Amino acid sequence: DTEVTQTPKHLVMGMTNKKSLKCEQHMGHRAMYWYKQKAKKPPELMFVYSYEKLSINESVPSRFSPECPNSSLLNLHLHALQPEDSALYLCASSQDKETTAWGNQPQHFGDGTRLSIL
Amino acid sequence: AQKVTQAQTEISVVEKEDVTLDCVYETRDTTYYLFWYKQPPSGELVFLIRRNSFDEQNEISGRYSWNFQKSTSSFNFTITASQVVDSAVYFCALSETNFGNEKLTFGTGTRLTIIP
Repeated sequence: DTEVTQTPKHLVMGMTNKKSLKCEQHMGHRAMYWYKQKAKKPPELMFVYSYEKLSINESVPSRFSPECPNSSLLNLHLHALQPEDSALYLCASSQDKETTAWGNQPQHFGDGTRLSIL
Repeated sequence: AQKVTQAQTEISVVEKEDVTLDCVYETRDTTYYLFWYKQPPSGELVFLIRRNSFDEQNEISGRYSWNFQKSTSSFNFTITASQVVDSAVYFCALSETNFGNEKLTFGTGTRLTIIP
């Protein structure tokens, strides 16, 4: 079992639907991430939150809307997605490097949500 | 710009054989961090190791070992006496300190299949 929990594990939605992906961690981490991973490709960074504030947006289309209600939760709101958005969406968390003794801390990933757009 | 190259797309070995996964990186930074992650079919990326650019000591953890050589910009991963449970996709990744929140650059991954 991972310490980063993602729900749902699978999601099928139409292009006009609105849905949300959820991610939760209870490791006291202050940085949280969304990645998109297509089949046989490495994960691609989408968003980074640090101390509940958006710090990195990798030019992601506005049909993806992240939200960080508190330091343990991270949501990804989906609206009007396209078939090419079908992928595995991974959430990760890590200690912000400013809070650690030194060094970039490893990211801990959830199992992901497999999203299919019809 | 930073880049990670994993030239081996797929590797298959018979169980109990040793296997080495190659990773070559490019960066202009003098301080950086290298990582290896394992991704089994379930999808989760499992953290295996972190190494900073100032620590060139090789590391061994059970059947896993890592060889970091700054002179060749390589961070190779060896599995000794491989087991079927080692079958997965393995990603090497690089992060530079100037990106703040550990922005990782992943290699394209190596799919390892252990044949029973």
